[in-house]
Amino acid sequence: GNSVTQMEGPVTLSEEAFLTINCTYTATGYPSLFWYVQYPGEGLQLLLKATKADDKGSNKGFEATYRKETTSFHLEKGSVQVSDSAVYFCALSEWVTGGGNKLTFGTGTQLKVEL
Amino acid sequence: KAGVTQTPRYLIKTRGQQVTLSCSPISGHRSVSWYQQTPGQGLQFLFEYFSETQRNKGNFPGRFSGRQFSNSRSEMNVSTLELGDSALYLCASRLAGGVQETQYFGPGTRLLVL
Repeated sequence: GNSVTQMEGPVTLSEEAFLTINCTYTATGYPSLFWYVQYPGEGLQLLLKATKADDKGSNKGFEATYRKETTSFHLEKGSVQVSDSAVYFCALSEWVTGGGNKLTFGTGTQLKVEL
Repeated sequence: KAGVTQTPRYLIKTRGQQVTLSCSPISGHRSVSWYQQTPGQGLQFLFEYFSETQRNKGNFPGRFSGRQFSNSRSEMNVSTLELGDSALYLCASRLAGGVQETQYFGPGTRLLVL
């Protein structure tokens, strides 16, 4: 079945540091890829997405490129802020046999940014 | 546009009881999905409803069920609660259920089973 593998956390960075969170996936077809962020006590918010190979999703300084050849969708940000502290989830969406589709999530990576 | 709303936000139940959670999608969205989030298992797909029909279901026992109404609002029900059902239950909606569409999540219902 489909699966998503994320780097283990927690990740602790100083403000203005460069961020990379690795994400690789296994899928039988052509999934869409997403990064969601979860702040304490809240639901998931879409951060960015990419729907086909070589697409780059970007939002709020975060970027990720859909790499089919390496089955990866790594999240990057050039300069993190304390307000970026949250849990980040990589996910894929693909059609399910029998109809419909669903999101398959990675385990999440907790990011803590310190002054 | 109002976001996805879920009620109640918090619930405490005892083993053996049953519970019903409610989700109101974004206006105009016809697809509603439910996910369970736990520290041990992470985020797992429960089921998806589209136009009042269940389109697919995750790997959960039959104690977990759901339905969708004609106004796209959805409910999920868990019968004979077990301690392991303690979790954050998240509802997500999207326009037509396409694989490329963004799923918009509600704040979740936190269920504690004692």
